[in-house]
Amino acid sequence: EPEVTQTPSHQVTQMGQEVILRCVPISNHLYFYWYRQILGQKVEFLVSFYNNEISEKSEIFDDQFSVERPDGSNFTLKIRSTKLEDSAMYFCASSGGLYSNQPQHFGDGTRLSIL
Amino acid sequence: GQQLNQSPQSMFIQEGEDVSMNCTSSSIFNTWLWYKQDPGEGPVLLIALYKAGELTSNGRLTAQFGITRKDSFLNISASIPSDVGIYFCAGRPRVDTGNQFYFGTGTSLTVIP
Repeated sequence: EPEVTQTPSHQVTQMGQEVILRCVPISNHLYFYWYRQILGQKVEFLVSFYNNEISEKSEIFDDQFSVERPDGSNFTLKIRSTKLEDSAMYFCASSGGLYSNQPQHFGDGTRLSIL
Repeated sequence: GQQLNQSPQSMFIQEGEDVSMNCTSSSIFNTWLWYKQDPGEGPVLLIALYKAGELTSNGRLTAQFGITRKDSFLNISASIPSDVGIYFCAGRPRVDTGNQFYFGTGTSLTVIP
């Protein structure tokens, strides 16, 4: 069964450094998402992306965050200047087909640790 | 943002028992999803619901889209040890391009053999 893949599985970064998290969504999917989950808490929406542009973002997704689909397969999340509170699991998800109400399928996440 | 209240927060049950958990929202949702998350992994989709009143099964799991469209229920019958994990509900307020899903706070399930 096709799946969403994320790399790296664990990223350790010094505070203030830039970090790029990578995702390969399911190949025929059209909608892409980033979520984060702080340890022990619920999954929180960051941003959704469709047709090469952001379609919705949460208040968490401030100017330090950006997303990009640099080619036909990758979907990236960049945090420009990381803060301690950015430490979390970051999940990429994608959903497919012509209708946006199709369910989202998640990757296994990247654990981001800011020192 | 939308608040989803999921209950119970945690459950400790004997193997073979049935499990029920629910999720409620303050506003109408058009889609409800149920996910299971194992430690260190991403959420895995269990069941998707799209219509009020819809009842859908996936093996021993059954979920229902509440008739008011403000709640959803997940039942697990005859629990087994591998059912252990955190179960999340997720809902979408409207069907539209890119609209986000809101997640519940999770129900942690422990099954005692």
